[in-house]
Amino acid sequence: DAGVTQSPTHLIKTRGQQVTLRCSPKSGHDTVSWYQQALGQGPQFIFQYYEEEERQRGNFPDRFSGHQFPNYSSELNVNALLLGDSALYLCASSPGRQKTQYFGPGTRLLVL
Amino acid sequence: QKEVEQNSGPLSVPEGAIASLNCTYSDRGSQSFFWYRQYSGKSPELIMFIYSNGDKEDGRFTAQLNKASQYVSLLIRDSQPSDSATYLCAVNPRSNDYKLSFGAGTTVTVRA
Repeated sequence: DAGVTQSPTHLIKTRGQQVTLRCSPKSGHDTVSWYQQALGQGPQFIFQYYEEEERQRGNFPDRFSGHQFPNYSSELNVNALLLGDSALYLCASSPGRQKTQYFGPGTRLLVL
Repeated sequence: QKEVEQNSGPLSVPEGAIASLNCTYSDRGSQSFFWYRQYSGKSPELIMFIYSNGDKEDGRFTAQLNKASQYVSLLIRDSQPSDSATYLCAVNPRSNDYKLSFGAGTTVTVRA
């Protein structure tokens, strides 16, 4: 039973560039949430996708956008990268309306 | 006031002892509570979830919830060096809210 997968594992970008991160949910899960985790802090909720729609959004600027595909996989896009966007980006999946979320291995983004 | 607060630690315990971790939350209407373990450089891994007041046991782990006092705790019995990690408390605020709000985590070191 495959767990949550994310790609790439690591990424280095420069300020002003754009980045796309990808996530495939755990088998049987149809809901994908994205979190940002800065060093030494807990994960911060970016948004959640369900039925190809953004169901809920956290306190992140419009530079952060996402998409969910019919196969439930998801992308996180960040435009106009800032140094402060350097973090571990985590994808979590859950089935339907259940609140228990399972995390993927994360993508570590470094913005120079 | 932060939504979820934890003592950052580090909490150092000898091998075989009980490690006790505490977490408080601000929203009295919160309904679902989770503990995640995060090893250095890795993503969070779900340990336990609890919805009802009282204790819930799973192997060497016991979660305790007291909604009146707005705290949730995690006990790790017979602590092992492999339990050395950061433990994240997460709260789902309300039934129509899908995000998890995380504390900053408590770092636990088990001394052999």
